[in-house]
Amino acid sequence: SVLTQPPSVSGAPGQRVTISCTGSSSNIGAGYDVHWYQQLPGTAPKLLIFANNNRPSGVPDRFSVSKSGTSASLAITGLQAEDEANYYCQSYDSRLSVYVFGPGTEVTVL
Amino acid sequence: QLQLHESGPGLVKPSETLSLTCSVSGGSISTANYYWGWIRQPPGKGLEWIGNIYYTGSTFYNPSLKSRVTISVDTSKNHFSLRLSSVTAADTAVYYCAGYQLPYDPFDIWGQGTVVAVSS
Repeated sequence: SVLTQPPSVSGAPGQRVTISCTGSSSNIGAGYDVHWYQQLPGTAPKLLIFANNNRPSGVPDRFSVSKSGTSASLAITGLQAEDEANYYCQSYDSRLSVYVFGPGTEVTVL
Repeated sequence: QLQLHESGPGLVKPSETLSLTCSVSGGSISTANYYWGWIRQPPGKGLEWIGNIYYTGSTFYNPSLKSRVTISVDTSKNHFSLRLSSVTAADTAVYYCAGYQLPYDPFDIWGQGTVVAVSS
């Protein structure tokens, strides 16, 4: 994948977990925004957080993002059972001229 | 509030053409100021962007699929469509229609997805 993510992360309720999204100089490193989606089992992806920590209405501030160089990260604080889902990062790649998604990270609440 | 809904055959034979339609409700496809697109997800895998269209008809395709993809818009019916030719089993996926407001913006509207299987 053009964007790489860890396959899975896990944490106990209340803990903080982070999901990395690593790209290159033609996508994240080129300054294109990184967006994050949450996909619950059997449902369509839902926009979770976009660009510089912008959250659609209804998304709690337990979700936050950071970006540095060619990487971005999604942090979930105060982990809850309802956060169990797959999380995808997304950006644009100027070398390939495509909107690209990371392979997804499965979050498990222990 | 804009909503999207995909429709089309759930089974397509190899070498044939997959055709799907995304109906837009809650607003006009012409005045909503959205770029409309298609994204797919093979079973157990991640998301792949297929292409986008603006209501004017301007299109933008994933180069890896460009030779087989056509996305069109029908403003009179308030829907846009996907055609993917010469399908193989590798095209089996959940197909989502989605939309974003400006280039490089996030896809902030999604349909519920429709399953398409390619099999004889």
